[in-house]
Amino acid sequence: NAGVTQTPKFQVLKTGQSMTLQCAQDMNHEYMSWYRQDPGMGLRLIHYSVGAGITDQGEVPNGYNVSRSTTEDFPLRLLSAAPSQTSVYFCASSYSWRERGVEQFFGPGTRLTVL
Amino acid sequence: KNQVEQSPQSLIILEGKNCTLQCNYTVSPFSNLRWYKQDTGRGPVSLTIMTFSENTKSNGRYTATLDADTKQSSLHITASQLSDSASYICVVSGGNNRLAFGKGNQVVVIP
Repeated sequence: NAGVTQTPKFQVLKTGQSMTLQCAQDMNHEYMSWYRQDPGMGLRLIHYSVGAGITDQGEVPNGYNVSRSTTEDFPLRLLSAAPSQTSVYFCASSYSWRERGVEQFFGPGTRLTVL
Repeated sequence: KNQVEQSPQSLIILEGKNCTLQCNYTVSPFSNLRWYKQDTGRGPVSLTIMTFSENTKSNGRYTATLDADTKQSSLHITASQLSDSASYICVVSGGNNRLAFGKGNQVVVIP
């Protein structure tokens, strides 16, 4: 199993550009989520999904959109990038929403810089 | 106010020495506490998970302790190696399956 994969690994955007961060998992996990990690701060939840077709907002959802059309994929879209979105983004998955406190697997991260 | 506080924020230790990282939390009710290791440029990887009834759990040279009464946990690294250089993140799961993340302890092991 590849686990949780993310692409790209690095990305530089200009203010106002849009892009999609890709996340995929091959463990048949129901629950998937996106976090951002900034220096001096803990991981913060952006959006999450408890199954295909179901998404919800986390702690810091503004400026980001998500969709979950399949169990495997959970892309994160930035519609109009801002410098405040410069961060490292992690995708994570677990067997279910309830299991996320027990076992959550993280991807390798995408380092995004917005100029 | 952050519900999970970790200390020290960062430390430097000599290879072969031991160190202890602290995690204090206010999450209530408590479900479990997990320690993650995050190498530079990588995602967090689970080290241990502890429930209310467990007070010690080991994973190789890593030993986690939990005192649910005082809401404190520690992660002890024995005979540190250069590969232990990483950030160690404490995550507490509470009521309604909420997750609270600490900011991490940054450990640098020098030869």
